[in-house]
Amino acid sequence: KAGVTQTPRYLIKTRGQQVTLSCSPISGHRSVSWYQQTPGQGLQFLFEYFSETQRNKGNFPGRFSGRQFSNSRSEMNVSTLELGDSALYLCASSLDDRERSYEQYFGPGTRLTVT
Amino acid sequence: GIQVEQSPPDLILQEGANSTLRCNFSDSVNNLQWFHQNPWGQLINLFYIPSGTKQNGRLSATTVATERYSLLYISSSQTTDSGVYFCAVGISGTYKYIFGTGTRLKVLA
Repeated sequence: KAGVTQTPRYLIKTRGQQVTLSCSPISGHRSVSWYQQTPGQGLQFLFEYFSETQRNKGNFPGRFSGRQFSNSRSEMNVSTLELGDSALYLCASSLDDRERSYEQYFGPGTRLTVT
Repeated sequence: GIQVEQSPPDLILQEGANSTLRCNFSDSVNNLQWFHQNPWGQLINLFYIPSGTKQNGRLSATTVATERYSLLYISSSQTTDSGVYFCAVGISGTYKYIFGTGTRLKVLA
């Protein structure tokens, strides 16, 4: 079974631009979560989606948004990029069933550099 | 909000040595995972262990949820064990994980 895939793997953007990152979960997984990893703040939760609904959101400004499609694929968008948005963005999927509810499996990440 | 603390923050070992990594959390959790992050940033699942003890080869983990801590044991360490180890806890009643600050392990040949 294929793992979680993220595209693109690397991205360079200019301050003020916007960016869209994509995540395809493991087949059959219905929950997708996004995290931001920076050297200063560590790994921080952005948001989680299940069946196209955002169930939880972390403490990030409204410039960060996401969505999930009917096939469970997810995208996250960052508008008006700032230098501090440079980070590794990680996506995780989980089965979300009663047996192993929230065991998360991570993709390889998208490394975003804002110049 | 919930605090997740890992110790030690850094650890240097000689190949073959054993080690114990600790994860303390400040509130009740319903999920807990241990990950190893490789130099390319990939988070590799080690254990999904909300409670109890599990073993996988040279690695084992124990979570005592009532006392709010988890331990990761690495025996006979190898250079390939180097990297950063994270614990992540799932907050009861929510659908999000909070990550600890990590333990950076370096195993010397």
